[in-house]
Amino acid sequence: AQSVTQPDIHITVSEGASLELRCNYSYGATPYLFWYVQSPGQGLQLLLKYFSGDTLVQGIKGFEAEFKRSQSSFNLRKPSVHWSDAAEYFCAVVSGYSTLTFGKGTMLLVSP
Amino acid sequence: EAGVAQSPRYKIIEKRQSVAFWCNPISGHATLYWYQQILGQGPKLLIQFQNNGVVDDSQLPKDRFSAERLKGVDSTLKIQPAKLEDSAVYLCASSTGAGSGNTIYFGEGSWLTVV
Repeated sequence: AQSVTQPDIHITVSEGASLELRCNYSYGATPYLFWYVQSPGQGLQLLLKYFSGDTLVQGIKGFEAEFKRSQSSFNLRKPSVHWSDAAEYFCAVVSGYSTLTFGKGTMLLVSP
Repeated sequence: EAGVAQSPRYKIIEKRQSVAFWCNPISGHATLYWYQQILGQGPKLLIQFQNNGVVDDSQLPKDRFSAERLKGVDSTLKIQPAKLEDSAVYLCASSTGAGSGNTIYFGEGSWLTVV
């Protein structure tokens, strides 16, 4: 069965520093992969998605992610973090009849 | 373009009471989803509709949860009777179709506390 692992429950990054959030997936076929962000009290907002083609995908708010089939990974990156990026980030894979399977999330804390 | 609308945003009920959540998807979206997000976990699919038909309800606790999507637009999720472990955020989402390449858009969620 498909699954998504986000190994880091919490990550603290200084404002202006670079960020990388890890995501590993388990899926037999070519995966469709997503990153969503959830601010406190809010719903999920799509940051970016990978379906096929270029393995480096650009998203909103300056985020990017790289699909690495050999490592079954889809890590999210940002070169310079802003305080407003503090939120919870979810990696997800589509399987079956367009069902999203989510990881448990990584909470990003941004220190001054 | 209006997003996915949900109500109520917050609800507190006692265990064994009932509650209903309403969702209005993005206009023209044929596929509607209800997800449950327990604190500290990622969202879990409860039920998926394609127009007014159920595509997947394998993880819906059918002894207490029910959902319908009459006329293939709005949807209602009901819990009766509620248990303490039902405390969660209930997220409604929609997409244009059910294919894997379709982006799924989420509402802001309905926060349920069962005391």
